[in-house]
Amino acid sequence: ETGVTQTPRHLVMGMTNKKSLKCEQHLGHNAMYWYKQSAKKPLELMFVYSLEERVENNSVPSRFSPECPNSSHLFLHLHTLQPEDSALYLCASSQDLAENEKLFFGSGTQLSVL
Amino acid sequence: AQKVTQAQTEISVVEKEDVTLDCVYETRDTTYYLFWYKQPPSGELVFLIRRNSFDEQNEISGRYSWNFQKSTSSFNFTITASQVVDSAVYFCALRESNYKLTFGKGTLLTVNP
Repeated sequence: ETGVTQTPRHLVMGMTNKKSLKCEQHLGHNAMYWYKQSAKKPLELMFVYSLEERVENNSVPSRFSPECPNSSHLFLHLHTLQPEDSALYLCASSQDLAENEKLFFGSGTQLSVL
Repeated sequence: AQKVTQAQTEISVVEKEDVTLDCVYETRDTTYYLFWYKQPPSGELVFLIRRNSFDEQNEISGRYSWNFQKSTSSFNFTITASQVVDSAVYFCALRESNYKLTFGKGTLLTVNP
């Protein structure tokens, strides 16, 4: 069983829909991340939370809204997305934000915006 | 300029061949960490190795080995006697004196039987 679980695995939504991606980590980590993986581009860091506080908002459009209610859960709320937002959204966690910490990733949510 | 460059977009080999995946990085920090991750078709990135900037010893783990050379800012990854299960996208990543992990674009490795 993976330590980081993401749901749903696949999501298809229209541009006017509102949906949420969920991430849960069972590792007792204090830091959680959202990454976006588009075809032929490096993984892009979107948001970082440490001890439930946002420490990074990497110039992400406001149509993406993160939420971290506790150290085990991370959400990404989506509304009025564009077709170019179609991508694999990966959640990750690490023990803390120290630069030597390795990240543990979930399997991602494959999002298609029609 | 990219901080992490993986020049090989795709590599295809036949089983049992050795293959080397290249990674070149750029940083002004004296302390930094380098990582390799594997992304199989399931999507989840799997951690393979972490290296800090003060440790240039090469490392071997089974069929995997890593060659870290600060003089050329490279951190190459070699798979010996490749197997079909090694087929995946491999990412090199750099973590500097902050919490941001910067990834290369990845190399798609296909090992054919």
